Amino acid sequence: KAGVTQTPRYLIKTRGQQVTLSCSPISGHRSVSWYQQTPGQGLQFLFEYFSETQRNKGNFPGRFSGRQFSNSRSEMNVSTLELGDSALYLCASKRDSYTGELFFGEGSRLTVL
Amino acid sequence: QKEVEQNSGPLSVPEGAIASLNCTYSDRGSQSFFWYRQYSGKSPELIMSIYSNGDKEDGRFTAQLNKASQYVSLLIRDSQPSDSATYLCAVSGAGNNRKLIWGLGTSLAVNP
Repeated sequence: KAGVTQTPRYLIKTRGQQVTLSCSPISGHRSVSWYQQTPGQGLQFLFEYFSETQRNKGNFPGRFSGRQFSNSRSEMNVSTLELGDSALYLCASKRDSYTGELFFGEGSRLTVL
Repeated sequence: QKEVEQNSGPLSVPEGAIASLNCTYSDRGSQSFFWYRQYSGKSPELIMSIYSNGDKEDGRFTAQLNKASQYVSLLIRDSQPSDSATYLCAVSGAGNNRKLIWGLGTSLAVNP
């Protein structure tokens, strides 16, 4: 069974640009969550999607957005990048919206210069 | 503000010893508790989940939950250098909004 796939794995952007990250969940999993991880802040919840609907949202500015497609694949977008957006962005899938048993992808490491 | 707290460490134990990792949470209505392990440069992976008071054992790992005292712990018996990682505690509540609340993690170093 294939795991969670995130693309791209690494990317470098400059301030003011935007970025789109992609996540393909485990087959059969309908819920996808996104996290930002930095050394000082730990895992910060961005949002969760289930069946194409946003179920939960963290405390991030509107520059961070996401969506989920009918095949459960998800994308997140960050517009007008800031230096502080440099982080590891993790996608996690789970079979439904209620369980806390997450399966993480390898992450997309974003560097903003 | 719902919180999950962990000692950041590093917790250093010799090989073969028992490593004890602790986590406290503020939301008394929390229902589900999870331990994730994260190796340096890797993503977190689930190692234990526990939902009711008491102990749950899985191989060398034992999770302990005490809802009255609002803490959950993870014991690693016969610690190995390969157990060296950051251990993240995550807690979720009941009902429709089961957003996970994460601790910052405890760094464990097992010395040969």
